[in-house]
Amino acid sequence: GAGVSQSPSNKVTEKGKDVELRCDPISGHTALYWYRQSLGQGLEFLIYFQGNSAPDKSGLPSDRFSAERTGGSVSTLTIQRTQQEDSAVYLCASSLQSTGTGVSYEQYFGPGTRLTVT
Amino acid sequence: GESVGLHLPTLSVQEGDNSIINCAYSNSASDYFIWYKQESGKGPQFIIDIRSNMDKRQGQRVTVLLNKTVKHLSLQIAATQPGDSAVYFCAERVRSGTYKYIFGTGTRLKVLA
Repeated sequence: GAGVSQSPSNKVTEKGKDVELRCDPISGHTALYWYRQSLGQGLEFLIYFQGNSAPDKSGLPSDRFSAERTGGSVSTLTIQRTQQEDSAVYLCASSLQSTGTGVSYEQYFGPGTRLTVT
Repeated sequence: GESVGLHLPTLSVQEGDNSIINCAYSNSASDYFIWYKQESGKGPQFIIDIRSNMDKRQGQRVTVLLNKTVKHLSLQIAATQPGDSAVYFCAERVRSGTYKYIFGTGTRLKVLA
């Protein structure tokens, strides 16, 4: 079946512009995560959606970052007034769920969106 | 695709030898741990996981060891192959309000022919 998809794969934008990054999780996965990966670094948690619960936004680096998940499926990460330090690969992952016993927490990652702010 | 882990610690291993990649985690309350493999230009790929009530778990050619006393996790790859060359990340699941995953900075594995 289809995995997690993200679009665009690459995005070059000018400093100060807004960008929207899209994530299509695996169908039926209730948990969705956004991470940021800067060159040569590990993954930095940004935001997490679980079902219809309020998202965990504790990883968002500033109020210029926001995300929504419509209908429990597709998610959009929006960065307003982009800065050069926002340049990174933005990764989305989904899993069947994130809590409970006897279920898989395995996160399936998309290929990422490489954002370059000039 | 983008090159991952240009400045990461690197482990070089001869093809056919065993590899051991280590990770120190931060939170003693973490209850679940995962190893991921990331090839250049791709997203991380799940390798193996282990819950905190276990100290060892084996998969195909891979073994994860968990030492909660010293908060240490290791990934052992048997008979390392060229296709194993990648950056490897460990991740711990912590509960801080909700559950979230904290990733290590990664180790680059280079397999020498």
